[in-house]
Amino acid sequence: GIQVEQSPPDLILQEGANSTLRCNFSDSVNNLQWFHQNPWGQLINLFYIPSGTKQNGRLSATTVATERYSLLYISSSQTTDSGVYFCAVGINTDKLIFGTGTRLQVFP
Amino acid sequence: GAVVSQHPSRVICKSGTSVKIECRSLDFQATTMFWYRQFPKQSLMLMATSNEGSKATYEQGVEKDKFLINHASLTLSTLTVTSAHPEDSSFYICSERVPEPDTQYFGPGTRLTVL
Repeated sequence: GIQVEQSPPDLILQEGANSTLRCNFSDSVNNLQWFHQNPWGQLINLFYIPSGTKQNGRLSATTVATERYSLLYISSSQTTDSGVYFCAVGINTDKLIFGTGTRLQVFP
Repeated sequence: GAVVSQHPSRVICKSGTSVKIECRSLDFQATTMFWYRQFPKQSLMLMATSNEGSKATYEQGVEKDKFLINHASLTLSTLTVTSAHPEDSSFYICSERVPEPDTQYFGPGTRLTVL
């Protein structure tokens, strides 16, 4: 099956710093989404981005489908950005395969 | 986005008992819902796909007789963990599929602890 690897696995930042999270996948996909799981376990939709670039406030994402990776950029990080970030992919199906996750801690 | 609720949010039970978890779509009629399991510090693993009015489709390695899924209406899917054992302790999360674009919206999760 498809493999979805995220890096780095852990990231510690001071408030105000910028960061880039990466998602590599082993096969062509037609669905890619980024989620934030907050410390209470709730998953929050960030981007639906099977290709191209999108921006939403301090967050932006880019997917290069031909090279099988996606990047999530967080600028001017805040303590509320803490949690785990997952990318999830789908191939010709409504099922999503979740990546390994990046655990982000932002300190004041 | 769509709003999904789960009940209960937390449950502690004795080994051998059965536990039912409800997943409700509050503002959307979801023909397809999904059930995931997440162990501590791990990713989400899909357990099954729940389709309204038909039998659920289970992922490889998930025991369908242990994890009973019912999706009797467009707004409610239930997961029953039968004869729960300590190794079933986990965080169970449901989601609903929303087309155009093809996304999923997640419930807040249910933390199950089996003693």
